[in-house]
Amino acid sequence: GENVEQHPSTLSVQEGDSAVIKCTYSDSASNYFPWYKQELGKGPQLIIDIRSNVGEKKDQRIAVTLNKTAKHFSLHITETQPEDSAVYFCALENTGGFKTIFGAGTRLFVKA
Amino acid sequence: EPEVTQTPSHQVTQMGQEVILRCVPISNHLYFYWYRQILGQKVEFLVSFYNNEISEKSEIFDDQFSVERPDGSNFTLKIRSTKLEDSAMYFCASSEGVGEQFFGPGTRLTVL
Repeated sequence: GENVEQHPSTLSVQEGDSAVIKCTYSDSASNYFPWYKQELGKGPQLIIDIRSNVGEKKDQRIAVTLNKTAKHFSLHITETQPEDSAVYFCALENTGGFKTIFGAGTRLFVKA
Repeated sequence: EPEVTQTPSHQVTQMGQEVILRCVPISNHLYFYWYRQILGQKVEFLVSFYNNEISEKSEIFDDQFSVERPDGSNFTLKIRSTKLEDSAMYFCASSEGVGEQFFGPGTRLTVL
């Protein structure tokens, strides 16, 4: 079945540094890859997504890259700020588009 | 800004009791989802619902679970006979189509 591996589980960076979170997946038919941010006590919130016909997408300090051949995708946050501290989940939609599989999450700490 | 709402925010129940978790999706959305998140773990897909029927469900969503859209605005998750291991945060989400899902704040279910 579908599976998403996410690394690292915890990431601590200094304010202003970059953070990179990586995910690999097994279902080669997946074509939608969202990233969600979850703050304490809240539901996940989409921060960026990418579809399989694109290799990279950027939105201000956040970028996502996708390598369909190698079946991995990554989240890049530049110039990190304390408010970026949260849990980040990669995810993918299965072929039919009605099931979203989440990675295990990365707890990001940005130290001021 | 429209948002997904969920009630109650916290539900405490005795093992074996039935619970109904309620969600009001964003009004023009057509796809509805339930997820659960055991404390400190990843978000797990339970079920998706479209056009008044289940589109897809996970192995977790067994005969003890059911979903319903009783009217034009509510989307409910029923657990018929709760078990201790059902204790988790339950998130409802909705989307216009395949793609970005908007999550509610969650209902914390505690089974004693």
